[in-house]
Amino acid sequence: DAMVIQNPRYQVTQFGKPVTLSCSQTLNHNVMYWYQQKSSQAPKLLFHYYDKDFNNEADTPDNFQSRRPNTSFCFLDIRSPGLGDAAMYLCATSADGYEQYFGPGTRLTVT
Amino acid sequence: KQEVTQIPAALSVPEGENLVLNCSFTDSAIYNLQWFRQDPGKGLTSLLLIQSSQREQTSGRLNASLDKSSGRSTLYIAASQPGDSATYLCAVKAAGNKLTFGGGTRVLVKP
Repeated sequence: DAMVIQNPRYQVTQFGKPVTLSCSQTLNHNVMYWYQQKSSQAPKLLFHYYDKDFNNEADTPDNFQSRRPNTSFCFLDIRSPGLGDAAMYLCATSADGYEQYFGPGTRLTVT
Repeated sequence: KQEVTQIPAALSVPEGENLVLNCSFTDSAIYNLQWFRQDPGKGLTSLLLIQSSQREQTSGRLNASLDKSSGRSTLYIAASQPGDSATYLCAVKAAGNKLTFGGGTRVLVKP
């Protein structure tokens, strides 16, 4: 089945230790998104790639970076995680910004 | 700036009752509106997408309506079941590739 896959599903990192979250897709969609969702809140868009073009949200902290080496993969790098970065991180894809399909998420814990 | 509101924030109904979930948005210049379901600790599952030119969409027991001029959408779930218990999120897409989410309605269907 075509899908959006996120690895790992659960990630524990130490305060200040860089961490990378991974997203892959078999839908061949040209747009990929990263969202942060904290408990009982709506998902908040961090950034997205339209093809190879990176689009950062104005209020996304510099601590968050992203890479998209090819159509299928996209990575979220958190350079120096703080306690406030503990959240569910959701990856989504769409074809030209049409319907978005989400992965199962990675729950990040910062100790 | 687009704002999306979902009221109520939580809803509890007995099994078999129809569910009515509301979503309102402030800027009617949207391309589409998407309804999602989210189970605790999981990603988002797309339920229905309504294009701005459409009035409603149906899938099984689910029916979503859209009144763009008044900035409202309603998700109806017929004959609710305990398995329908989840958080339901609506999101609107305007210019660009960004979705703006509402805060969600947490639904509990009691057996």
